[in-house]
Amino acid sequence: GQNIDQPTEMTATEGAIVQINCTYQTSGFNGLFWYQQHAGEAPTFLSYNVLDGLEEKGRFSSFLSRSKGYSYLLLKELQMKDSASYLCAVRDTGGFKTIFGAGTRLFVKA
Amino acid sequence: DSGVTQTPKHLITATGQRVTLRCSPRSGDLSVYWYQQSLDQGLQFLIQYYNGEERAKGNILERFSAQQFPDLHSELNLSSLELGDSALYFCASSESAAGAGGYEQYFGPGTRLTVT
Repeated sequence: GQNIDQPTEMTATEGAIVQINCTYQTSGFNGLFWYQQHAGEAPTFLSYNVLDGLEEKGRFSSFLSRSKGYSYLLLKELQMKDSASYLCAVRDTGGFKTIFGAGTRLFVKA
Repeated sequence: DSGVTQTPKHLITATGQRVTLRCSPRSGDLSVYWYQQSLDQGLQFLIQYYNGEERAKGNILERFSAQQFPDLHSELNLSSLELGDSALYFCASSESAAGAGGYEQYFGPGTRLTVT
């Protein structure tokens, strides 16, 4: 079956670092994505991991361990505008289907 | 602006009716994906087309159908609408169907469907 788990909500303080975890159990794997979605808006692409390790892009980093079925998104120097939902998504082996997790709603407080 | 356009932005209709949602992908993108997002829910993958052909199907109801036309725009048809079909419907596009390159999806602004 296909299952992607993320915490439902997280709260962090402006300027701090937060790590959002994602575990997955899917029938196939051909890459993991993180998207950011502000309420009522379209998701926007943040990162893509297909090999194990850390990918860094500015204030955002994403890590993947395929053997553990585990990924995390690391957000540094949090800003109020980072308050949003963060969606973990896995692309299946054929590459045609992308399964999204329910998302983690992040609240950044002053 | 992702370059993906969706019309209409909002749609209010009654139960039992049929509606058509339209999506134009980014210039050059051959793949189109449709997703449903109910209130406070994650994105549910419905269907994917690549260059006019259906490539993958998710949890799409039989009352729903889609197609991609030669000019690469796509339409999602929802019929015999029920209250539970009220949701945001997103279209996304990417360069390729699968494999290396063009893997990220660019999402349109969505169509908010309200069934009353």
